[in-house]
Amino acid sequence: DAMVIQNPRYQVTQFGKPVTLSCSQTLNHNVMYWYQQKSSQAPKLLFHYYDKDFNNEADTPDNFQSRRPNTSFCFLDIRSPGLGDAAMYLCATSGLGASSTDTQYFGPGTRLTVL
Amino acid sequence: KQEVTQIPAALSVPEGENLVLNCSFTDSAIYNLQWFRQDPGKGLTSLLLIQSSQREQTSGRLNASLDKSSGRSTLYIAASQPGDSATYLCAVDTGGFKTIFGAGTRLFVKA
Repeated sequence: DAMVIQNPRYQVTQFGKPVTLSCSQTLNHNVMYWYQQKSSQAPKLLFHYYDKDFNNEADTPDNFQSRRPNTSFCFLDIRSPGLGDAAMYLCATSGLGASSTDTQYFGPGTRLTVL
Repeated sequence: KQEVTQIPAALSVPEGENLVLNCSFTDSAIYNLQWFRQDPGKGLTSLLLIQSSQREQTSGRLNASLDKSSGRSTLYIAASQPGDSATYLCAVDTGGFKTIFGAGTRLFVKA
């Protein structure tokens, strides 16, 4: 089945230790997104890729970076995780439809714990 | 700045009841509105997408309406079941691949 896969599902890191989260998709969608969701809060868009074009949200901290080596894969790098970065990180994809976004398809998320 | 609000934050109903979840947004300049379902500790599943030119969408026991001019959307769930228990989020597409989410309504359907 076509889907969005995130690895790992759970990640524990230490304060200040770099961590990379992975997302892959078999939908062949050209847009990929990373969201941060803290407990009982709305998902917050960090950035998105439209093909190879990277678009950072204005309020996304510099501590967060992303890479998209090809259509299928996208990575979220947190250079120096702080306690406030503990959250669920959601990857999503969409194809370019009639609107700018069309339906978004989400992965199961990676829950990041920072010790 | 677009803001999305969902009321109530939590709702508990007995099985079989029809219910309405509310979503409001501050800027009517949207491309579409989506309703998602999120189970505890999981990702989001798209339920319904309403384009800005549409008034409603239906899927099974779910019906979503959109009133752009008043900045409101409702999600109607008919004959609720315990399996409907989850958090329901609405999200508006403001263009430029930017989606703004509400914080969700946590629904609990009692058997």
